[in-house]
Amino acid sequence: GQQLNQSPQSMFIQEGEDVSMNCTSSSIFNTWLWYKQDPGEGPVLLIALYKAGELTSNGRLTAQFGITRKDSFLNISASIPSDVGIYFCAGRGGSNYKLTFGKGTLLTVNP
Amino acid sequence: DVKVTQSSRYLVKRTGEKVFLECVQDMDHENMFWYRQDPGLGLRLIYFSYDVKMKEKGDIPEGYSVSREKKERFSLILESASTNQTSMYLCASSFRGPGELFFGEGSRLTVL
Repeated sequence: GQQLNQSPQSMFIQEGEDVSMNCTSSSIFNTWLWYKQDPGEGPVLLIALYKAGELTSNGRLTAQFGITRKDSFLNISASIPSDVGIYFCAGRGGSNYKLTFGKGTLLTVNP
Repeated sequence: DVKVTQSSRYLVKRTGEKVFLECVQDMDHENMFWYRQDPGLGLRLIYFSYDVKMKEKGDIPEGYSVSREKKERFSLILESASTNQTSMYLCASSFRGPGELFFGEGSRLTVL
């Protein structure tokens, strides 16, 4: 089946620093989604990408759909304490229904 | 805003009990999903439904069943709960096609 590798698994950064995380796939995807999950809550959609090469921003967050269609990255600029949480990538290939999820990146921001 | 509502945030059940987890969405989405989330294992798909009364097995359907009698409601059933079903359960919904998946707040189930 499709597999997603998300890295890094965890990050500890100082407030104000920029953050970058990425996902790579063993197969081609036609949709990439990035989610954030706060402790004890469900994941919340941050950014959706539908086209190879697409670069999309949502406030301080920027995500890109890789040209090869096998990767995506998420950048957070000028991190703040409320950025703390788990960030998941998810990709969809041939099926219209099923997403494949990365294992998540745990972000800790020290004030 | 899309709203996916899960009936219980926290449940504690005993081994062998029948457990119902309910999920309702208010955006007329065709697709609905049940995932479980465990540390180190990420999100794993249990079952999904792409229409009323339709269901398909996900990656880990054993020990679970589902029911979709109405478009807005998707129920997950544990016929006989076991301790290895202690987990966070997440319901999600989406429109048909390559759209975004919207999640509920999650139901944390503990089976003693």
